[in-house]
Amino acid sequence: TQLLEQSPQFLSIQEGENLTVYCNSSSVFSSLQWYRQEPGEGPVLLVTVVTGGEVKKLKRLTFQFGDARKDSSLHITAAQPGDTGLYLCAGGRQAGTALIFGKGTTLSVSS
Amino acid sequence: GAVVSQHPSWVICKSGTSVKIECRSLDFQATTMFWYRQFPKQSLMLMATSNEGSKATYEQGVEKDKFLINHASLTLSTLTVTSAHPEDSSFYICSAFPRTGAKTQYFGPGTRLLVL
Repeated sequence: TQLLEQSPQFLSIQEGENLTVYCNSSSVFSSLQWYRQEPGEGPVLLVTVVTGGEVKKLKRLTFQFGDARKDSSLHITAAQPGDTGLYLCAGGRQAGTALIFGKGTTLSVSS
Repeated sequence: GAVVSQHPSWVICKSGTSVKIECRSLDFQATTMFWYRQFPKQSLMLMATSNEGSKATYEQGVEKDKFLINHASLTLSTLTVTSAHPEDSSFYICSAFPRTGAKTQYFGPGTRLLVL
C-alpha cells in the first residue's frame, strides 16, 4: 500500500510552462517535505511544511500543505531546464521517525 | 543545513563478496539514522532504522542477516551488504535528523553499488 500517492509520475514540458505536482494521502502527517534529486546524488531538501493550510514560496516554486495535513502540492511557475530532476514528497508521522516517500515525479523541461 | 556524508560514493564488487558503506553525521550527533535503497527512476524505500547502541529495526521484507547495520557511535552508522549478488546493485542512501524533535531529515549523497 502506497501511503503517499504522488502524481504525475512523469512530466515533460517546454520551458516557460507552469506545472503542479500533487502528493495525496488518507493519513495525517505532522510534517511534509519536498526534495529534489539529481541522478547519482542524494535528495536535497526544498521545503518543510508543518501547519495545515501553510503556503511557502521559494523563488518560482510554491508549496502548499492541505488544511487537514493529508496532502500537498508543488507548483512551479515558468519552468526552466534547470528545474529538470526527480521531485519527491515525503511525509513524517512524528518527529524522529522515518519519512514515507511518494513514488516521485520525474520532470523534464526542454528549451 | 546539517551535513551527512557517505563513503564510498560508489563501489563495484564481485558477486559473493561483502561491502561496507559508512554514513557519518559531520556536524551533529545522531542517535537514529535511516538507510534507504533506491532503484533507477524510482523513489526511496526505507530499509532499516539504525539506533545507536542497540539493534537496528528492519522494514518488512529486508533481510537483517543480509544487510548488517552497526551504529557504534553517535556520528557513524555502517551498512554491510553481505554476500552481495547482482540484484543487490542499487543506490543506497542514509539520512538523519539533526537534533531531537527536528522534523526535517538530511540525506547523505548516496552510495552506488554495482555487483558483478
